[in-house]
Amino acid sequence: NAGVTQTPKFQVLKTGQSMTLQCAQDMNHEYMSWYRQDPGMGLRLIHYSVGAGITDQGEVPNGYNVSRSTTEDFPLRLLSAAPSQTSVYFCASRRDLVDYGYTFGSGTRLTVV
Amino acid sequence: GEDVEQSLFLSVREGDSSVINCTYTDSSSTYLYWYKQEPGAGLQLLTYIFSNMDMKQDQRLTVLLNKKDKHLSLRIADTQTGDSAIYFCAESMGYSTLTFGKGTMLLVSP
Repeated sequence: NAGVTQTPKFQVLKTGQSMTLQCAQDMNHEYMSWYRQDPGMGLRLIHYSVGAGITDQGEVPNGYNVSRSTTEDFPLRLLSAAPSQTSVYFCASRRDLVDYGYTFGSGTRLTVV
Repeated sequence: GEDVEQSLFLSVREGDSSVINCTYTDSSSTYLYWYKQEPGAGLQLLTYIFSNMDMKQDQRLTVLLNKKDKHLSLRIADTQTGDSAIYFCAESMGYSTLTFGKGTMLLVSP
């Protein structure tokens, strides 16, 4: 089925560990973004990409890296996990600037202990 | 800077109309969106409105936009228990990112 696929759905990390959250879309969308959702905070933008090879920082980029080597994939790397990164992470994509909506993945729930 | 504000909670009875309000600060916003999030799920686009429109109707959903006051509302007619969810207002200036409000939790009681 077409859409945005995020893996894993759940993850527990120890403080200081690193990991990569995977995001893939099969809709040939140019624009992809990573958001984190925390209680009472809504969704905050971490990083985004306007196409393969192009990424930029969002509102809360510290502690995260991204790369976009293909149109389909936009992984989010946690360099050294901290308890403050406990959150639900959503990846989203849209076709282009005139596409009227983002398609969201189902999320990755990350706990850092 | 950009900021989107929403009330945090709304409770209605099944069959009533629900109105969820949102205010935004960026007058250059080109698109405004309403998303729905059910428990444990991602966000689902409900509807959107372009900034040169005042109203948009889509089945039970009516979106009203007051550009002068930077106020957006979502009206759900004949609210059902399945409409219980968190509703997010979001704005976009046409670039690749959205700015979201903190979400309004809608609780529909039988």
